[in-house]
Amino acid sequence: GDSVTQMEGPVTLSEEAFLTINCTYTATGYPSLFWYVQYPGEGLQLLLKATKADDKGSNKGFEATYRKETTSFHLEKGSVQVSDSAVYFCALRDFGNEKLTFGTGTRLTIIP
Amino acid sequence: DTEVTQTPKHLVMGMTNKKSLKCEQHMGHRAMYWYKQKAKKPPELMFVYSYEKLSINESVPSRFSPECPNSSLLNLHLHALQPEDSALYLCASSQDGTGVGEQYFGPGTRLTVT
Repeated sequence: GDSVTQMEGPVTLSEEAFLTINCTYTATGYPSLFWYVQYPGEGLQLLLKATKADDKGSNKGFEATYRKETTSFHLEKGSVQVSDSAVYFCALRDFGNEKLTFGTGTRLTIIP
Repeated sequence: DTEVTQTPKHLVMGMTNKKSLKCEQHMGHRAMYWYKQKAKKPPELMFVYSYEKLSINESVPSRFSPECPNSSLLNLHLHALQPEDSALYLCASSQDGTGVGEQYFGPGTRLTVT
């Protein structure tokens, strides 16, 4: 079955540091890949997505590239801000499948 | 507009109460979802409606009863809940139930069962 393995947290960084959150996946078909962000007390917001191999999703300075050869979709940001503190979920959706498979989430804290 | 709205934002109910959670989207999406999220965990899928028909029930106890009155609305009726049902309940929608489209989530209802 489908699964997503995400970097264990929590992750604490200083403001303006470089961020990488690792995500690898297992899927039976040709999935779309997503990063969602959840701020404290809120629902999930779609941060970025990629629908096929070598696609790069980007939004708000965050980027992730769909790597089929390594089955990975790592999230990166060049310079994090305090406002980026949140929980980040990597997720996949296999074609024809109504379900979204989530990773366990990575809690990110940015200190000034 | 990619907004999914949910009401109420917070709900406290006793184990003998009956209450309902509501979800609405006006994006023309034809698939809608209920998730349950416990603290520090990812969301767990409960139900999927595709074109207003229940297509997935993830073995959810019958004290949770979903309803899809039309393509824009989704309800979750609650009855005789247990304290372990306390959680954040998230609604989501997507273009349809079979493609590779993203799901858009609402802000959630924080449910406390006393």
